[in-house]
Amino acid sequence: QQQVKQSPQSLIVQKGGISIINCAYENTAFDYFPWYQQFPGKGPALLIAIRPDVSEKKEGRFTISFNKSAKQFSLHIMDSQPGDSATYFCAALQYNNNDMRFGAGTRLTVKP
Amino acid sequence: DAGVTQSPTHLIKTRGQQVTLRCSPKSGHDTVSWYQQALGQGPQFIFQYYEEEERQRGNFPDRFSGHQFPNYSSELNVNALLLGDSALYLCASTRDGSSYEQYFGPGTRLTVT
Repeated sequence: QQQVKQSPQSLIVQKGGISIINCAYENTAFDYFPWYQQFPGKGPALLIAIRPDVSEKKEGRFTISFNKSAKQFSLHIMDSQPGDSATYFCAALQYNNNDMRFGAGTRLTVKP
Repeated sequence: DAGVTQSPTHLIKTRGQQVTLRCSPKSGHDTVSWYQQALGQGPQFIFQYYEEEERQRGNFPDRFSGHQFPNYSSELNVNALLLGDSALYLCASTRDGSSYEQYFGPGTRLTVT
């Protein structure tokens, strides 16, 4: 069932540091790769997304790096803040297939 | 602008019972997807509704069924509940039949005892 593998399972970063979460996918037909942020007791919130025709997308402190040949993509959180402490999910979607596949999640803790 | 809303927030049911969960999509959205999120896991796609019809189903048994109303709101029904159905059930909405840029609701926490 799982077609998107996410690592690490948990991550601890000091305030101001860079958080990096990695994902790998198998299905080359995927054409949309979003990242979601989830706080306890809440639903996932769309953070940033990328299409495979670009190698990088930046929105504020959040950057997605995409390597199509390696079938990998990653989320970089610059200047990490305690408020960024949450669980992050990568996902992948194939055009004309509405079954979005999620990674297992990374629990990020940013220490003050 | 109201986001995706779900009800109830929490629910406790007994094995073998039936449950109905409700979702109202974000304003302007017409497509609703349902997901099951087990503790410590990513969401898993159950099915999607568009134009009041189930458009696609994930790897879930027929005990899981749904409905979409003319106002685009949706229900998820689960029959013959099993202990393994305990999870957070998430509803997500999009516009124009798309599955891109899905906005999630807060979820309904279902506990089956």
